[in-house]
Amino acid sequence: AQSVTQLDSQVPVFEEAPVELRCNYSSSVSVYLFWYVQYPNQGLQLLLKYLSGSTLVESINGFEAEFNKSQTSFHLRKPSVHISDTAEYFCAVTITDKLIFGTGTRLQVFP
Amino acid sequence: DTGVSQNPRHKITKRGQNVTFRCDPISEHNRLYWYRQTLGQGPEFLTYFQNEAQLEKSRLLSDRFSAERPKGSFSTLEIQRTEQGDSAMYLCASTARQGTGYGYTFGSGTRLTVV
Repeated sequence: AQSVTQLDSQVPVFEEAPVELRCNYSSSVSVYLFWYVQYPNQGLQLLLKYLSGSTLVESINGFEAEFNKSQTSFHLRKPSVHISDTAEYFCAVTITDKLIFGTGTRLQVFP
Repeated sequence: DTGVSQNPRHKITKRGQNVTFRCDPISEHNRLYWYRQTLGQGPEFLTYFQNEAQLEKSRLLSDRFSAERPKGSFSTLEIQRTEQGDSAMYLCASTARQGTGYGYTFGSGTRLTVV
């Protein structure tokens, strides 16, 4: 069975500071990895995904995540956050048929 | 491509009543998923369809829950004899390909409140 652990339930940070949201997964087989973002009262939006190839994947709004097979991690990073990045972030894993989500990390950006 | 549409956005019901939610996926997507999300938790898988066939149901899906996708297009999720513990956001997602490497598109969800 596979599972996803997001180690931090909340991450407070000041605007323009760097941030890292941690995600670890457990699986006995190769997986696809995703980060989704959820703004208040909205559905989930795909932020970025790792399928294969380069272990560093980037989103269009400055986030990046690195797949580390030996540490079974897929941490999300941004070098400089904005107020508008305030949201809930979910890490997810799948092998074939369905997504399994972590419990989420609330990123709160303060001015 | 109008995205995944869910109706209603909000539903308040009295305990014991039946409720039905609808999901319209992206038209060319053959896989449709239902998830439940409670406050402070990540979405939990409930069930999914490939075309009209329901391929898997989670243990979370008690006998009071039933989902259908009669013509392989839209889907409905019905909860009978609602309980306060059913209060949650119900999310629908669709995807075009098996293997899910192509990602899922989620709807905005239906928030159910059972009073």
